[in-house]
Amino acid sequence: DVKVTQSSRYLVKRTGEKVFLECVQDMDHENMFWYRQDPGLGLRLIYFSYDVKMKEKGDIPEGYSVSREKKERFSLILESASTNQTSMYLCASSFFVGQGYEQYFGPGTRLTVT
Amino acid sequence: DAKTTQPPSMDCAEGRAANLPCNHSTISGNEYVYWYRQIHSQGPQYIIHGLKNNETNEMASLIITEDRKSSTLILPHATLRDTAVYYCIVRGFLGAGSYQLTFGKGTKLSVIP
Repeated sequence: DVKVTQSSRYLVKRTGEKVFLECVQDMDHENMFWYRQDPGLGLRLIYFSYDVKMKEKGDIPEGYSVSREKKERFSLILESASTNQTSMYLCASSFFVGQGYEQYFGPGTRLTVT
Repeated sequence: DAKTTQPPSMDCAEGRAANLPCNHSTISGNEYVYWYRQIHSQGPQYIIHGLKNNETNEMASLIITEDRKSSTLILPHATLRDTAVYYCIVRGFLGAGSYQLTFGKGTKLSVIP
């Protein structure tokens, strides 16, 4: 079974703190994604990566950065956490095989910024 | 990217087929239709996808109309564990060979005992 794991299920941080969310996949997938999910807004793509050290902005990259030093690991960084970044963060991964693939999601990290 | 329209909620009796509709009237010729579901407090789970032909796997069947403007996800024998929010997604191209899944609000399916 494909497994995508995220470092924490629940996280509470203070405003201004630097926050690291880590995602690891064990299926040798080329693509990895970070989304956030908020009530009434659905899932929104923050960043994605199609290869090691490669990254592309999604729809809402402001306030976030990412790092992909190894193929299996994709980190989301909140440089200075703010209360409007309180959300559920979901990581996903997929093969790079053109049109016909599926994304596999991790369990999510519920981040609260106080 | 093509948009999708789904009913906000549906009920289905346990053991009966659940038919979840989706409209995607602006879909383009090379865009796939994907279905995911999200059980409470979990990450989304892939169900099935298709381009033109009907598809079936161990979880569900996907029926796509000939004009591709709508589709229906069928869970043949719904169980209580199928209670979830179901998302119909038409995938858009991000570039660099990557594709974005744009999740709308989905349909909350409640399976009733």
